Amino acid sequence: GAVVSQHPSWVICKSGTSVKIECRSLDFQATTMFWYRQFPKQSLMLMATSNEGSKATYEQGVEKDKFLINHASLTLSTLTVTSAHPEDSSFYICSARAGQGSEKLFFGSGTQLSVL
Amino acid sequence: GQSLEQPSEVTAVEGAIVQINCTYQTSGFYGLSWYQQHDGGAPTFLSYNALDGLEETGRFSSFLSRSDSYGYLLLQELQMKDSASYFCAVRDNSWGKLQFGAGTQVVVTP
Repeated sequence: GAVVSQHPSWVICKSGTSVKIECRSLDFQATTMFWYRQFPKQSLMLMATSNEGSKATYEQGVEKDKFLINHASLTLSTLTVTSAHPEDSSFYICSARAGQGSEKLFFGSGTQLSVL
Repeated sequence: GQSLEQPSEVTAVEGAIVQINCTYQTSGFYGLSWYQQHDGGAPTFLSYNALDGLEETGRFSSFLSRSDSYGYLLLQELQMKDSASYFCAVRDNSWGKLQFGAGTQVVVTP
């Protein structure tokens, strides 16, 4: 099956620094990727839809200047948490569809971000 | 607004059958999906229903009634490894983005 690779799996950073998370589709091309955020024991909250070669579409309430998304190629999308603060600590997961006709989302393994 | 409602937790013994209900209110509807997530892991796809009726995949089945805005996931012959969170999700537009329910924690006991 399709594989989505996400790195790093965990990161600890100081408040005020920026953190970049990478999401790669390893054996397929993903024109669209989705970024989710998840708090412990809670649902996956869609943050933004990442489109290859164009600007990301952000969900209501998500600060686009805070969460920078770049989708420069058909296999790579990045999420940068800028000027991170403790309230940004969360589990971030990317996902992609293996083909426009597929209903199946493949998820990366997630990134646990802890901001001190 | 959009909402998906599902029970927060279900406990059952090995070998039992569990049904997880999901009701939804969304601006559009292109299908209902189910995902399984073990603690600390990534969600994995279980099933998808676009039309009314039952879809069976091994021990797991999923049902949809669009007129009732309702679906369920049926877990049969429960095994310990089925202990996980189960999320229903609705695709509400043609772009393919999913909105997830809050998740149901299934606890399987010996």
